[in-house]
Amino acid sequence: SAVISQKPSRDICQRGTSLTIQCQVDSQVTMMFWYRQQPGQSLTLIATANQGSEATYESGFVIDKFPISRPNLTFSTLTVSNMSPEDSSIYLCSVEDWRGAEQYFGPGTRLTVT
Amino acid sequence: KNEVEQSPQNLTAQEGEFITINCSYSVGISALHWLQQHPGGGIVSLFMLSSGKKKHGRLIATINIQEKHSSLHITASHPRDSAVYICAVPMITQGGSEKLVFGKGTKLTVNP
Repeated sequence: SAVISQKPSRDICQRGTSLTIQCQVDSQVTMMFWYRQQPGQSLTLIATANQGSEATYESGFVIDKFPISRPNLTFSTLTVSNMSPEDSSIYLCSVEDWRGAEQYFGPGTRLTVT
Repeated sequence: KNEVEQSPQNLTAQEGEFITINCSYSVGISALHWLQQHPGGGIVSLFMLSSGKKKHGRLIATINIQEKHSSLHITASHPRDSAVYICAVPMITQGGSEKLVFGKGTKLTVNP
């Protein structure tokens, strides 16, 4: 199994500012995933982050708004840039085990933009 | 129409009751995941199954690939089972990679 921690656990931010969310895994993983869960909605994949390459973004998400770093096999960051109230969500990082059989999720970062 | 649909959206039960949550999907899959999300937002993977049935403690998950339907059952429900239960299925993106598509979740409240 993999244990994932995220920082911060929650934050309240002003419109127009940026927030960087950190995701730390206790083991080396190839692929890390960033999800967004808007209030009352299902989880939506923002991007897939592989170490050593550019993140792959899903339709509707762009690098300028959600830049991602993946400096090594245990760590990634997601930045929510130029925030608006519509960015208020829970942001979760996730990893797969080496077989691709299990998904492990971080505890989430609850973001409120005022 | 959502690719993954769950029912019911909300479910309230008395402690001890047998609970069933359903998931229907329209995309082709290799396996289906059941997840539990606690009020704080953290998510725990309960099951991944591609056929038949799996059991873990009081939780049982079944899947019918032909009918594209899965159920999550909780026997002898307890207030600590109160959470949002989410099913998710993998699908292939236009880029050729695999991603999970999630249902909106079923909010379960078990009263003592």
